[in-house]
Amino acid sequence: NAGVTQTPKFRVLKTGQSMTLLCAQDMNHEYMYWYRQDPGMGLRLIHYSVGEGTTAKGEVPDGYNVSRLKKQNFLLGLESAAPSQTSVYFCASSPRLQVSYEQYFGPGTRLTVT
Amino acid sequence: GENVEQHPSTLSVQEGDSAVIKCTYSDSASNYFPWYKQELGKRPQLIIDIRSNVGEKKDQRIAVTLNKTAKHFSLHITETQPEDSAVYFCAATYNQAGTALIFGKGTTLSVSS
Repeated sequence: NAGVTQTPKFRVLKTGQSMTLLCAQDMNHEYMYWYRQDPGMGLRLIHYSVGEGTTAKGEVPDGYNVSRLKKQNFLLGLESAAPSQTSVYFCASSPRLQVSYEQYFGPGTRLTVT
Repeated sequence: GENVEQHPSTLSVQEGDSAVIKCTYSDSASNYFPWYKQELGKRPQLIIDIRSNVGEKKDQRIAVTLNKTAKHFSLHITETQPEDSAVYFCAATYNQAGTALIFGKGTTLSVSS
């Protein structure tokens, strides 16, 4: 059981480049989330998904897109990276609320945009 | 929208002392309040949580209290140990489905021996 995994672990982008972060979970969880973490700002929700094929905006969705084509995967895309998107990105997943509210986090992706 | 305020931002205690971290939230519909611990360079990990129909929950040296009327909840750590040193985050649900969390900005706890 790998839990929640994220690819890649580190990435450096130039302004204007695009990239996709991959999150995968093998716990058959219904819900998945993308957060960004900046110093002194805590964790801020970017987008989330309550099931395969569905996505919803969080607190800070601008500049990001997401897709959940398969239940186990949640992709975060940056179409045109900006230095303000330099951050650590965490993916998380949780089961149906009838089971638990607990969110399980991945190890994070450190992204630098120059 | 929902807002979660967390205080203090830093907390230094001596080993064996108690530590208390407080959070307030704005959305009266919030129904789930977890606390996460994050060590340097690691992922956040749940240490305790509480649902809105419960006023207090305890797990060994850690306890959480919830006051729904005042819209605040607190984390209490007793008999602190150096390994308790980390950043602690509170959070509250903010969407009707109860699946999305908004986090406080964190408290850096330092326990010196």
